[in-house]
Amino acid sequence: DAKTTQPPSMDCAEGRAANLPCNHSTISGNEYVYWYRQIHSQGPQYIIHGLKNNETNEMASLIITEDRKSSTLILPHATLRDTAVYYCIVRVLFGNEKLTFGTGTRLTIIP
Amino acid sequence: DTGVSQDPRHKITKRGQNVTFRCDPISEHNRLYWYRQTLGQGPEFLTYFQNEAQLEKSRLLSDRFSAERPKGSFSTLEIQRTEQGDSAMYLCASSLMDRDYEQYFGPGTRLTVT
Repeated sequence: DAKTTQPPSMDCAEGRAANLPCNHSTISGNEYVYWYRQIHSQGPQYIIHGLKNNETNEMASLIITEDRKSSTLILPHATLRDTAVYYCIVRVLFGNEKLTFGTGTRLTIIP
Repeated sequence: DTGVSQDPRHKITKRGQNVTFRCDPISEHNRLYWYRQTLGQGPEFLTYFQNEAQLEKSRLLSDRFSAERPKGSFSTLEIQRTEQGDSAMYLCASSLMDRDYEQYFGPGTRLTVT
């Protein structure tokens, strides 16, 4: 069963920052937070992951609260190509090879 | 390398027929995964391989389903005696063993059982 809760849908204006929340109140100390996205008619794509520190890469930033019970994925300057379903996943780093997806957040970027 | 490829992209079959899907992973990836996705849901794990060994199977994988990865490269997923409930997108992914959280997905095979 998915261990995360995400809003079913969100809109964001093109060029603005898109902030996607995720609740994972039962996260264990050795579990990481991972984000994937799935653009229409494509397979999911890995975005970023983190344990407790904020993380940034070329695609996005991940902010994890101090108690680790929630996190936010930030797309700093959203473009129309960022329209997708975004999945927040909680998993240990090693030893649990599958990814358990929930239903995700459908993000629509508005021109 | 162009990523994970799957063949066919679409398959329409009649109930009771057998179907086989193929997945070609990224060449240096030793792990290969199969997932199934139905409309409005996230992908669900079916099974995975490390090289040619099948190491885990979900309870979703009934005895009508079989997967192989004979030489540790490409993989096949066969469904025997298809049922309408098998209609779904079948996704394949691959990864390096020490970065198995970063799975690279193919475009999927969409199966429709009539």
